[in-house]
Amino acid sequence: EVQLVQSGAEVKKPGESLKISCKGSGYSFSNYWIGWVRQTPGKGLEWMGIIYPDDSDTTYSPSFQGQVTMSADKSISTAYLQWSSLKASDTAMYYCARRSSGHDYFFDYWGQGTLVTVSS
Amino acid sequence: QSALTQPRSVSGSPGQSVTISCTGTSTDVGGYKYVSWYQQHPGKAPKLIIYDVTKRPSGVPDRFSGSKSGNTASLTISGLQAEDEAGYYCCSYAGSHTYVFGTGTEVTVL
Repeated sequence: EVQLVQSGAEVKKPGESLKISCKGSGYSFSNYWIGWVRQTPGKGLEWMGIIYPDDSDTTYSPSFQGQVTMSADKSISTAYLQWSSLKASDTAMYYCARRSSGHDYFFDYWGQGTLVTVSS
Repeated sequence: QSALTQPRSVSGSPGQSVTISCTGTSTDVGGYKYVSWYQQHPGKAPKLIIYDVTKRPSGVPDRFSGSKSGNTASLTISGLQAEDEAGYYCCSYAGSHTYVFGTGTEVTVL
């Protein structure tokens, strides 16, 4: 069974750093792109970027370029999303999602989400 | 890369049909056959219900259908049921490994 399991909720202060994770199982993690999606309270979904775990090839949305860093450790089937200096506006639910295989361009499996709260 | 435009809300009675539009540009919706739709119930992760404009994953009821004309994609829910009350988001591939989501539509079953 394909599963993406994300790390737990975080409460941080502005200026702090944070790294959240997304662990895949039930499939060959290295060979499927992992996307990250932000959902702010009461708002819609925003595509942040995507990473290919096998070689860490990464593409960011222009809106998030320079604001976050995506990485992956294929040896432990885990993708990461990190911030070096959080802002209150980073408060949101963050989802990881697997892009389906080959020439498919949709996200077939999603993590349960990680709620990040940034408040002084 | 602007969000695709969806109506904020649509509603219908049980058994009726509702259609949600998703308008983009020639660089996303109009340029690729890769529009997908996701259903999201409150407090839950999004769930894929349509991919490649018209295809349904295994297990998704056939009352969900998708189409596209030019820069606008559409999701139709036929025979609306109470459990269809949820948020719906379109998503389009936009080239060079990038994607864009729609603004989201709340479906209310009256």
